[in-house]
Amino acid sequence: DAKTTQPNSMESNEEEPVHLPCNHSTISGTDYIHWYRQLPSQGPEYVIHGLTSNVNNRMASLAIAEDRKSSTLILHRATLRDAAVYYCILAGTYKYIFGTGTRLKVLA
Amino acid sequence: ETGVTQSPTHLIKTRGQQVTLRCSSQSGHNTVSWYQQALGQGPQFIFQYYREEENGRGNFPPRFSGLQFPNYSSELNVNALELDDSALYLCASSWTGDTEAFFGQGTRLTVV
Repeated sequence: DAKTTQPNSMESNEEEPVHLPCNHSTISGTDYIHWYRQLPSQGPEYVIHGLTSNVNNRMASLAIAEDRKSSTLILHRATLRDAAVYYCILAGTYKYIFGTGTRLKVLA
Repeated sequence: ETGVTQSPTHLIKTRGQQVTLRCSSQSGHNTVSWYQQALGQGPQFIFQYYREEENGRGNFPPRFSGLQFPNYSSELNVNALELDDSALYLCASSWTGDTEAFFGQGTRLTVV
């Protein structure tokens, strides 16, 4: 199965941009790249997803490398509410493969 | 508001017993998937159902089984419980397997 690799943890100052990297060198051509975040004692929450092109929504931006072997989730201005574990996921037609996740700490 | 609800929220079972967890998917979603999340780990994909048929499965033994009903709600059944089955079990619903998924709050299963 294709897998993703993420740093265990990252820190950011409040109001500053955050770039969360993800490597997925074994991605298949039909896998979508999804990002979810999870707060303690809650289910994961959808953030953004894409296939080949960069994507923007109200929560974040997703930058996908041209070879699709890596991607970066960009939070433009981190807030304390963005502190969570962020998962990079390869979504095939029949399964979601979660990575190990990056615990983001936002400093006030 | 995700609209995905799971029951029960917490459950304690004895090793060797059987358990059934339930999930009500978001209205209109015909795909449901189940995940096991051990403490401090990321969710692990168990299986996915689309229109009442299992169409994808992770590396879990056959004692993990499921059902999806005509209203697209779902059940996860685990037989012969083991201590390592203690985890948070998450259900997610979506339009298809690779679109945005909405997760429930999970069922915390403890096997003693």
